Amino acid sequence: SYVLTQPPSVSVAPGKTARITCGGNNIGSKSVHWYQQKPGQAPVLVIYYDSDRPSGIPERFSGSNSGNTATLTISRVEAGDEADYYCQVWDSSSDLYVFGTGTKVTVL
Amino acid sequence: EVQLVQSGAEVKKPGESLKISCKGSGYSFTSYWIGWVRQMPGKGLEWMGIIYPGDSDTRYSPSFQGQVTISADKSISTAYLQWSSLKASDTAMYYCARHVGTDYAGGFDYWGQGTLVTVSS
Repeated sequence: SYVLTQPPSVSVAPGKTARITCGGNNIGSKSVHWYQQKPGQAPVLVIYYDSDRPSGIPERFSGSNSGNTATLTISRVEAGDEADYYCQVWDSSSDLYVFGTGTKVTVL
Repeated sequence: EVQLVQSGAEVKKPGESLKISCKGSGYSFTSYWIGWVRQMPGKGLEWMGIIYPGDSDTRYSPSFQGQVTISADKSISTAYLQWSSLKASDTAMYYCARHVGTDYAGGFDYWGQGTLVTVSS
């Protein structure tokens, strides 16, 4: 089955840039979506189809996808960005939706 | 405003059955797939399955095939997730989510608030 690998944690100082990677075999050929989940809350879609932002999501959130790695970038990080982040794809070969292992972002 | 409202928390004993619900509003319920996602305590998100309420076409993750049943009643814009015999390992938060996009490759743009299921003797 298709596996998406994320670093368990990323730490970043306020105002700096956080980059969260999502590794998968030829992930660049798939559409990647990213979710933010704060403690005790449901996930929120922050990036879809690799780099599109839903309405209401700050421009500080951006995404890219190429080769074997997709990346969620959070610019000018704020304390409120502290959360777990998950990538997700649909694997056409198995007709399954797959979530990444998740990354906890800590704002120092 | 698009909303998915899930049924309340449940406490059950092993072996009991359960059906939880997810009611959609603010959009055409029959035109979007609805997925179910499990999150065990302190763990990540796991996709369980997905249903198209328009014709009840349903797909399951192999990990959950045979363990749960996903259904929908389009007349009341509600999707369901049910178990016939719960196990302690079914203890988790369960989310429903609306699938976005015109193809299977889309993500999930609106999520329910989650239903906490606790299975304990």
